Amino acid sequence: AQSVAQPEDQVNVAEGNPLTVKCTYSVSGNPYLFWYVQYPNRGLQFLLKYITGDNLVKGSYGFEAEFNKSQTSFHLKKPSALVSDSALYFCAVRDLNAGNNRKLIWGLGTSLAVNP
Amino acid sequence: NAGVTQTPKFRVLKTGQSMTLLCAQDMNHEYMYWYRQDPGMGLRLIHYSVGEGTTAKGEVPDGYNVSRLKKQNFLLGLESAAPSQTSVYFCASESSYNSPLHFGNGTRLTVT
Repeated sequence: AQSVAQPEDQVNVAEGNPLTVKCTYSVSGNPYLFWYVQYPNRGLQFLLKYITGDNLVKGSYGFEAEFNKSQTSFHLKKPSALVSDSALYFCAVRDLNAGNNRKLIWGLGTSLAVNP
Repeated sequence: NAGVTQTPKFRVLKTGQSMTLLCAQDMNHEYMYWYRQDPGMGLRLIHYSVGEGTTAKGEVPDGYNVSRLKKQNFLLGLESAAPSQTSVYFCASESSYNSPLHFGNGTRLTVT
């Protein structure tokens, strides 16, 4: 079955420290992978995506993510966290081999808290 | 660019009442989606559209109807609201399957 797992409901880091938000996926075919961020009372905003090519992708606000095919993971990272990074983060995958390839499969989200 | 605009932002309904949520996008996107977001349940797809005049069911379509009469607008209707439909509703659009989704800021609906 197709699925996305974000194993941590909440991640706490100190400002200035590196942060990682984890995502693993299970799809039958080639995945398109996405990260979105949601600030309070706002819609989701696109951060970055992996379609093909270099496994390390860079996105908005200094975030990056590494696609690891053998581990079926797409962890979000940032070298130095800011208090303003505190938000809800969602991982999503689109299975290109699925009959309905329009359907995005979403993780349940990880709440990131960056402490000053 | 306004992007994706949802109206209204907030609404309180009584059980059995009806309402329509409007989503408008000015990016000429073909694909549009309605999601609901509930605590601990992430985003769930209600209905979607792959172009003007088309609609299709998502994961949780029961109790909702949609229409896409114009390319820029995607309407979500609740014919007879139930407390289980209390949620935050998000509309999103995209230009192709490898492009990111653009989201509106949501409609917070409470059904009493």
